[in-house]
Amino acid sequence: LAKTTQPISMDSYEGQEVNITCSHNNIATNDYITWYQQFPSQGPRFIIQGYKTKVTNEVASLFIPADRKSSTLSLPRVSLSDTAVYYCLVGVRFSGGYNKLIFGAGTRLAVHP
Amino acid sequence: NAGVTQTPKFQVLKTGQSMTLQCAQDMNHNSMYWYRQDPGMGLRLIYYSASEGTTDKGEVPNGYNVSRLNKREFSLRLESAAPSQTSVYFCASSDGGTDTQYFGPGTRLTVL
Repeated sequence: LAKTTQPISMDSYEGQEVNITCSHNNIATNDYITWYQQFPSQGPRFIIQGYKTKVTNEVASLFIPADRKSSTLSLPRVSLSDTAVYYCLVGVRFSGGYNKLIFGAGTRLAVHP
Repeated sequence: NAGVTQTPKFQVLKTGQSMTLQCAQDMNHNSMYWYRQDPGMGLRLIYYSASEGTTDKGEVPNGYNVSRLNKREFSLRLESAAPSQTSVYFCASSDGGTDTQYFGPGTRLTVL
């Protein structure tokens, strides 16, 4: 499974846009890119997933260049409640529906007033 | 819809004791997973179950056993707890055909 590399930590201020970039140089053809968010003392929560180009939902946008060797999670106008750890993962969809995801250390985002 | 539930929330064991962590999901998902998370680290996969009746080892299976009791329930057993197993344990489930995993609230285990 492809390994990912992302910054250990980031700081931002309320109302700013935050972009977290993840590198996955060895991504395979079948791999999808998924981002999770984790608050202290909670399990990770799915944010967004994509395969190529741009994906947007009510929470975030995901930008994936043509070579798919990196991806950028964009959080518009962050608030204090966005302070969390963000994980970038690549995983394969197996035919049986299960998947094996490798979690790295993630990026600790701290949003300041 | 409770999603993924885990019991207990907290547990303290002495070295050598055994215990079973329970996990249940009410989303009719085929696949279920057990992870552990050590302080400041990402999650590591212990075991997973692609479907009812099947289980497979993940990244760190040593010292653990699992049982997929039925489609809803997936338990994790520590036969002889060791201090190195002090961690937070998360259970997750996923639907067929999607990568999205839904996580439970976690069990904080301390082994003295």
